[in-house]
Amino acid sequence: NAGVTQTPKFQVLKTGQSMTLQCAQDMNHEYMSWYRQDPGMGLRLIHYSVGAGITDQGEVPNGYNVSRSTTEDFPLRLLSAAPSQTSVYFCASSIQGRSYGYTFGSGTRLTVV
Amino acid sequence: AQTVTQSQPEMSVQEAETVTLSCTYDTSESNYYLFWYKQPPSRQMILVIRQEAYKQQNATENRFSVNFQKAAKSFSLKISDSQLGDTAMYFCAFMKEYGYIFGTGTRLKVLA
Repeated sequence: NAGVTQTPKFQVLKTGQSMTLQCAQDMNHEYMSWYRQDPGMGLRLIHYSVGAGITDQGEVPNGYNVSRSTTEDFPLRLLSAAPSQTSVYFCASSIQGRSYGYTFGSGTRLTVV
Repeated sequence: AQTVTQSQPEMSVQEAETVTLSCTYDTSESNYYLFWYKQPPSRQMILVIRQEAYKQQNATENRFSVNFQKAAKSFSLKISDSQLGDTAMYFCAFMKEYGYIFGTGTRLKVLA
């Protein structure tokens, strides 16, 4: 099994550009989420989903959109990139969420110049 | 709101020795879940151990164990027989309904 796959691994954007970070899992997990990791801080929740067609905001949702059309995929869209969105982004999935813990992807390092 | 605090930004330990990483949290919930994650230089987040708050027994996974003090809201991680491969950032996390609240991490270096 591939687990949680994130693409790309690295990306440089110019301010104002848009892009989509891809996340796919092959474990038939219902719960998926996106986090960002900034220096000196722990990971912070951006958006999450508890199943296909169901998404909601986390702690730091501004500037990001998500959708969940299939169980496998949970893309994160940056509509107009800003330097403050320079970060490492992690996607994670879980079979049940709260009690089981999440499996993380390997992350995407995004730099906005 | 829930918070998670890791007060030790950096620690070091000699190979084969034991080290304890501290974590405190704040919540008004009575039933919850706590986790420790390891992030090596590869940046992959790896689940080390989890604890269910309603269980009195401390969780153990091989060389990793926790000291869970519910009344004190403390959740420390003990690593026994430290190995060079244990060098990493360690994050304590509180599980909310649909996502984690992470601490700021402790950078652990195992010295040969």
